Amino acid sequence: DADVTQTPRNRITKTGKRIMLECSQTKGHDRMYWYRQDPGLGLQLIYYSFDVKDINKGEISDGYSVSRQAQAKFSLSLESAIPNQTALYFCATSLGAGSYNEQFFGPGTRLTVL
Amino acid sequence: GNSVTQMEGPVTLSEEAFLTINCTYTATGYPSLFWYVQYPGEGLQLLLKATKADDKGSNKGFEATYRKETTSFHLEKGSVQVSDSAVYFCALSVTGGGNKLTFGTGTQLKVEL
Repeated sequence: DADVTQTPRNRITKTGKRIMLECSQTKGHDRMYWYRQDPGLGLQLIYYSFDVKDINKGEISDGYSVSRQAQAKFSLSLESAIPNQTALYFCATSLGAGSYNEQFFGPGTRLTVL
Repeated sequence: GNSVTQMEGPVTLSEEAFLTINCTYTATGYPSLFWYVQYPGEGLQLLLKATKADDKGSNKGFEATYRKETTSFHLEKGSVQVSDSAVYFCALSVTGGGNKLTFGTGTQLKVEL
């Protein structure tokens, strides 16, 4: 079984709808991240969480919110989706605070906002 | 701020050709450097990393050396295979930065028979 899972894998929604993307991990890591990937832009950090009580904004948090329900679960919400939020979204985890720590990525959720 | 610049793709090579993907960085402090690979339809996975100047990371025939003097971390492989076709991302993380990664824009590699 995959260590980092994301649901759904694909989602098509309409402008103005609320949508939630979910991430679960079995790695036991405290740190979790949400990124979006756009063609030609690489990955940009949306939110990150060091533990259940510590949530931080990333580079592009406007229009997004998150919830860390447990160590293993970190959800990303779009309160009112808009077309320029169409992108590939990745969840990631890491073990600790050191800059040398690898991040482990989920398979991604492809979101299309019409 | 921190930033990563990598060569634009796509890069198209014949099987067994030599590969270089250039990556340069700007960072406050002393970064750790990473190459991640994304195969079609999958998430990113770590290919190799280096955590201090002059370190060489290597994995699956790929290598990259942390060059502080040129702020570079170029990815090389002596003989590519079709199975190496993927998107490659250079990234950095700085000490005290909460292990956040700053990514380059990615370079798509296509290897043909």
